[in-house]
Amino acid sequence: GAVVSQHPSRVICKSGTSVKIECRSLDFQATTMFWYRQFPKQSLMLMATSNEGSKATYEQGVEKDKFLINHASLTLSTLTVTSAHPEDSSFYICSARGGIGTGGNTIYFGEGSWLTVV
Amino acid sequence: GQQLNQSPQSMFIQEGEDVSMNCTSSSIFNTWLWYKQDPGEGPVLLIALYKAGELTSNGRLTAQFGITRKDSFLNISASIPSDVGIYFCAGVTGTASKLTFGTGTRLQVTL
Repeated sequence: GAVVSQHPSRVICKSGTSVKIECRSLDFQATTMFWYRQFPKQSLMLMATSNEGSKATYEQGVEKDKFLINHASLTLSTLTVTSAHPEDSSFYICSARGGIGTGGNTIYFGEGSWLTVV
Repeated sequence: GQQLNQSPQSMFIQEGEDVSMNCTSSSIFNTWLWYKQDPGEGPVLLIALYKAGELTSNGRLTAQFGITRKDSFLNISASIPSDVGIYFCAGVTGTASKLTFGTGTRLQVTL
């Protein structure tokens, strides 16, 4: 099946610094990728929709200047948490919509990235 | 954001028992997806349903897309310890492929 990979899987950064998380579709092209945040024992909450070659669409309440999303190619989207604070510590997960041959409306997830801000 | 009603919230069952969980919504979806999430990892797709009434199996798992397009269920037969995890349903609507997630069902399997 389609594979989506995230990197890094775990990252620790100091408060005030920025950290970038990458999301790659390994064996298919993804015009649309999604970024989620998940708190312990809770469901996934959509942060933004990343569209290749255009600006991301952010969900209500998500600061676009804090969570920068870039979708420069059909296989890569990045999420940059700027000026990170301890409350940004969370599990961040990306997903991508499968293309032809994978079921166009099927969504595949990355392994997730644990961010800890100290 | 919006979430689907998923039940039960948690289940404690013995190995070998069958499991059933479901999701309901007030909205219509074009696609229903079922995922399993292990601690500290991303969700893994189990079954995808694309048509109302569709019944699909994947090994010991069976899922159905409700006729009204507002609900779906997932059954797991003869549960084993590695079935432990959190199961999420997700509905997809429109061309944007945005997912609406269920609240999750936490499954615990005892020997």
